[in-house]
Amino acid sequence: SQTIHQWPATLVQPVGSPLSLECTVEGTSNPNLYWYRQAAGRGLQLLFYSVGIGQISSEVPQNLSASRPQDRQFILSSKKLLLSDSGFYLCASGGTNTGELFFGEGSRLTVL
Amino acid sequence: QQPVQSPQAVILREGEDAVINCSSSKALYSVHWYRQKHGEAPVFLMILLKGGEQKGHEKISASFNEKKQQSSLYLTASQLSYSGTYFCGTEIRGGYQKVTFGTGTKLQVIP
Repeated sequence: SQTIHQWPATLVQPVGSPLSLECTVEGTSNPNLYWYRQAAGRGLQLLFYSVGIGQISSEVPQNLSASRPQDRQFILSSKKLLLSDSGFYLCASGGTNTGELFFGEGSRLTVL
Repeated sequence: QQPVQSPQAVILREGEDAVINCSSSKALYSVHWYRQKHGEAPVFLMILLKGGEQKGHEKISASFNEKKQQSSLYLTASQLSYSGTYFCGTEIRGGYQKVTFGTGTKLQVIP
């Protein structure tokens, strides 16, 4: 099965600062990759998904962006964070025969 | 379009049964079910495909009514380890595994 690594696990950032969250995948090649955000007590909101290197689809207009520089690397970025960007960010990998999405352990972001 | 889950929360005693429902306003290709423990990543339980059979294990199973765009997750003889938040996720079409999740159902099993 796949293993999803995310870092950092936790970070506290001031409003207006930049952001970079990284996700790498082991155990598969050419996976579909996803960034989800989970606000406190809320569901999982799909932010971006990618079916290949350099191919990014955005689901929600926002001040975040995503990039996929390598097959198994997915990066979530922001130039200037907003308070509303706080949340639990989950990277996921799919593309398996079972249809299962494998999730990383998440990155908890607090914007102050 | 986010699927709607019900109930939002439920408390069970060990050994009791529960049903969690998920409905969509759009025709569905598949329905996923995941469980998330507090502060952890969601874990896959099962996927139900359009035209497929009811899936599951002995104590956790699910059904998918394609005509009504509804799915139900059945938890039988609940155990303490079943506690967590259950999410259904839906796909409108196959190919990209673009899964839209509901807001979750918080399940607590008490002794």
